[in-house]
Amino acid sequence: SQKIEQNSEALNIQEGKTATLTCNYTNYSPAYLQWYRQDPGRGPVFLLLIRENEKEKRKERLKVTFDTTLKQSLFHITASQPADSATYLCASEAAGNKLTFGGGTRVLVKP
Amino acid sequence: DAGVIQSPRHEVTEMGQEVTLRCKPISGHNSLFWYRQTMMRGLELLIYFNNNVPIDDSGMPEDRFSAKMPNASFSTLKIQPSEPRDSAVYFCASSSWDSPYNEQFFGPGTRLTVL
Repeated sequence: SQKIEQNSEALNIQEGKTATLTCNYTNYSPAYLQWYRQDPGRGPVFLLLIRENEKEKRKERLKVTFDTTLKQSLFHITASQPADSATYLCASEAAGNKLTFGGGTRVLVKP
Repeated sequence: DAGVIQSPRHEVTEMGQEVTLRCKPISGHNSLFWYRQTMMRGLELLIYFNNNVPIDDSGMPEDRFSAKMPNASFSTLKIQPSEPRDSAVYFCASSSWDSPYNEQFFGPGTRLTVL
């Protein structure tokens, strides 16, 4: 079965800088990957989807890439703000319409 | 739309007791998912339904766990008997087959503590 690996260490970053998070998948190349944001005490919220045949996707200050050679997706938050502080989860499509989630990476943006 | 609704938000119970978690998905959504989240294991899929029919329950830990979806607007996850290792946050999520993104909409979760 698919395994999704994210850096479990928190990412501390200064306001205004770009945060870059990594998501690696271990087995088959998924048809798409999704990224979610989770705030403490709340459920994950969908941010972006990138398909296997797309190299890059953007949404406002967010950018996601998909590299099938490296089996990796990168998630960038540009011009980061303290309000971006949260845990970010990567998810891979699985059989049926299931998702397999990574463990998430916590981001802390310091003013 | 109110989003996915879960109840209770918090549940504290003693080992051996029956626990029932409830979920109301977003109206019109076709799929419903139950997840469990812990620090050690992250977000794990327990079971999911398509059009009220259970499709995959391979994530259900053991026979103590059961889930039902009697109609399109209601689902329950039951643990009987509960054990301390069941302590976690349980999320319900729903999705629509009409969405091009196949995104899942999560409820606020139920934090379960089994003493």
